Amino acid sequence: EAGVTQFPSHSVIEKGQTVTLRCDPISGHDNLYWYRRVMGKEIKFLLHFVKESKQDESGMPNNRFLAERTGGTYSTLKVQPAELEDSGVYFCASSRTSGSHNEQFFGPGTRLTVL
Amino acid sequence: AQSVTQPDIHITVSEGASLELRCNYSYGATPYLFWYVQSPGQGLQLLLKYFSGDTLVQGIKGFEAEFKRSQSSFNLRKPSVHWSDAAEYFCAYTTGTASKLTFGTGTRLQVTL
Repeated sequence: EAGVTQFPSHSVIEKGQTVTLRCDPISGHDNLYWYRRVMGKEIKFLLHFVKESKQDESGMPNNRFLAERTGGTYSTLKVQPAELEDSGVYFCASSRTSGSHNEQFFGPGTRLTVL
Repeated sequence: AQSVTQPDIHITVSEGASLELRCNYSYGATPYLFWYVQSPGQGLQLLLKYFSGDTLVQGIKGFEAEFKRSQSSFNLRKPSVHWSDAAEYFCAYTTGTASKLTFGTGTRLQVTL
């Protein structure tokens, strides 16, 4: 089966601009997660979808970040307006609802650079 | 606060040498524990996981990890490192079957020939 895919792989934007990151989970995975790694820091949780519903968005840093999951399939994460501190690698992961305990499969990440 | 600690930011070992990467967690109950690896340009790949039962778990690529409740540790080991093991390794835990992962800061492994 195809893995988790993310687009774009890299994005360089200027402060104040808008960027939209996309994640396509593994087919059939109801759970979709967004994480972020700022350089030199740990990978931090942003939010969790179950199908199209936000289950946990406790990690979203502020209201400049908007995540959606249309029809419970792919997800987008929009940053508007982007700030310098938003630079980092954004990972998406997906997992099944039942079965093997929360084995999350990760995408390759999107590296975002805000200048 | 619940957390994961990986005390070693960077480790260098010679090819063929043994490896141990340390991981300590802070959580009231026994969490579900994971080790992930990220090779350059790749996503995170699951090496192994511990949920319950046998405290010594085997993973892919010849890795194993031992859960020690008394020490709140879940150290990753490999008897003989290969040059292709050079990567960044992350310890993580979750408290539920579909909950968020909490990661350590990662340990970057360099392998010398």
